[in-house]
This record gives sequence, C-alpha cells and structure tokens, in this order.
Amino acid sequence: NAGVTQTPKFQVLKTGQSMTLQCAQDMNHNSMYWYRQDPGMGLRLIYYSASEGTTDKGEVPNGYNVSRLNKREFSLRLESAAPSQTSVYFCASSESHPAYSGNTIYFGEGSWLTVV
Amino acid sequence: AQSVTQLDSQVPVFEEAPVELRCNYSSSVSVYLFWYVQYPNQGLQLLLKYLSGSTLVKGINGFEAEFNKSQTSFHLRKPSVHISDTAEYFCAVSDSGTASKLTFGTGTRLQVTL
Repeated sequence: NAGVTQTPKFQVLKTGQSMTLQCAQDMNHNSMYWYRQDPGMGLRLIYYSASEGTTDKGEVPNGYNVSRLNKREFSLRLESAAPSQTSVYFCASSESHPAYSGNTIYFGEGSWLTVV
Repeated sequence: AQSVTQLDSQVPVFEEAPVELRCNYSSSVSVYLFWYVQYPNQGLQLLLKYLSGSTLVKGINGFEAEFNKSQTSFHLRKPSVHISDTAEYFCAVSDSGTASKLTFGTGTRLQVTL
C-alpha cells in the first residue's frame, strides 16, 4: 500500500548545486503535482502534470523544472539551488486534475531540503 | 481569483473539549471545499470534502464541517478532541470552472493537551 513515494527524504545542498527529487505513485492516477511548504505560507503549487505527457507551471515555478517520465513517475529538478529553495517538498497525485471534479489529492511524506 | 483564509494559526485546546477551526473562502463561482490534516513529519491526508448536496459533511476521526454559502465559510468541528488530533489542518478550495486550481490556506495548528 505504498501510495505516493518520494525520495530522498532529507537532503542538504550547497548553493549552486543541482538535484532531482523523485516521485512515484502506484494508484494509476493521471495527475501529479509538486508542492512546497513553508512556515506561514501553506502549500504552494510548483508544477503539475494533468496527464501523462503534459506539464504546467503552478504558482511558484521559478528555479524548478519537472519531467513526467511515465504515468507513474514525476520528478522535480533544481538546476542551481538557492537558499530561498530551502523548504519541504511534497509530491502528490489524483485520479484526474482536481479542477474538474473535486478529486482527492494523495500526498507523499515529504522531502526536507536545506540549501546552505 | 479564489482565496482561502484560516484566521487562526494556532488553536490550543484541552483533551475532550470541543474545537472549531475556521475557514473562509472567496470565489466568484461554485466551489469544492476540502479539509486536509498533516500529522507531524507526514504528508497531508484528506479529512473531508464538500462537492455538492448536504451542507454538513462528515469526515474521518469524528470531524465534520459545514458549508455556509452566504457566509462563504467551511468551518471544521469536533465535539471532543483527543491528544492524537494534534496536527496541522489545512482548508482548501477549488472552483468548478475549467481553468480552476486548488488553493490551500496557511494552516491551523491544533495543539491538544491534557
């Protein structure tokens, strides 16, 4: 019963380094998301993929890139990490894009990223 | 544009006491409303949601919420809380338009003590 699995759980990066957060879901969901969570700001959408083969910017896409590798996997890449990207990152999925039918979003357990 | 306001960033309450977590939203069209809970060091999970129909929605762990269209509110309630309810609670809104998105509030930290 894995649901949404994301790796790594913890990572410390130096400014300017790059890294990729991996995410996979086993629920045969069409839509996947990357959020960041910062104190006092709730969750903000970075990028999403409404269906396999499509990706779209969310609320805070600058400094990030994504790849929908297949229906199961959706990765988030930081090309040149900055201290402002220190955050908790959540991958999530839903049966389809929630805009159309109020679908439930299922979240992974989070990845704690610190950029020094 | 839609928005969600959770006025209380923290709510301390004693075990077995009732609790209400407030959520107000703004949107110009019909909405779907959600409450998610985040336990320490975990991801969010759905507590309950309102899509249509009865304005009183029951969720997991004894929580319920009432959709009030005239007051644009979706407050979360529980008649008697437990220590295990200590968590962060997020209200979220998605409107029913084709170009809509899901917007989360900033969260309310519920701290239950003995």
